[in-house]
Amino acid sequence: DAKTTQPPSMDCAEGRAANLPCNHSTISGNEYVYWYRQIHSQGPQYIIHGLKNNETNEMASLIITEDRKSSTLILPHATLRDTAVYYCIVCSSYDKVIFGPGTSLSVIP
Amino acid sequence: GAVVSQHPSWVICKSGTSVKIECRSLDFQATTMFWYRQFPKQSLMLMATSNEGSKATYEQGVEKDKFLINHASLTLSTLTVTSAHPEDSSFYICSARGTGFTDTQYFGPGTRLTVL
Repeated sequence: DAKTTQPPSMDCAEGRAANLPCNHSTISGNEYVYWYRQIHSQGPQYIIHGLKNNETNEMASLIITEDRKSSTLILPHATLRDTAVYYCIVCSSYDKVIFGPGTSLSVIP
Repeated sequence: GAVVSQHPSWVICKSGTSVKIECRSLDFQATTMFWYRQFPKQSLMLMATSNEGSKATYEQGVEKDKFLINHASLTLSTLTVTSAHPEDSSFYICSARGTGFTDTQYFGPGTRLTVL
């Protein structure tokens, strides 16, 4: 079973920041928080991952709370191409990725 | 870097035939590969995990004799759907994980299987 809870859907205005929350209250010490997204009829795309520090790359930022029980993925300037299902996943680096239902993000013009 | 390819991208076959799907890690060595299946409007469901040179480990409820997985090299895994039936029609997605910066799972683009 997925170890995370995400809202089923969210809307975001084009050009604004999209903040996608994720709860993972049972995360253990060696588990990372991974984010993937899946655009319709494509394979999932890796976005970012982190252990306990905040992370940023060219796609997004990941903010992890100090107790590590929740995190937020931030797309700083959402575009229409960011419309996708976003999956927050908790697992160790040697474990298999188990997908939950994710958050369907719609970026609106 | 960390590119995973699948072939074919789509396939249509008759009921009772077998279909082979290839998954390749193009720019890294994949010590572990995974196979997922996704039905319309549903999330991905893990079918099996395979390590190079070892037998695949199947998830509960997945028939190992129906879904044959071979991971003969560090860059290639194959999934063969044997005696396919219409209910096997689905989107099959592989992923690969290496070591170092590639110890994250990277996913292929998927293969759409339609069984008539």
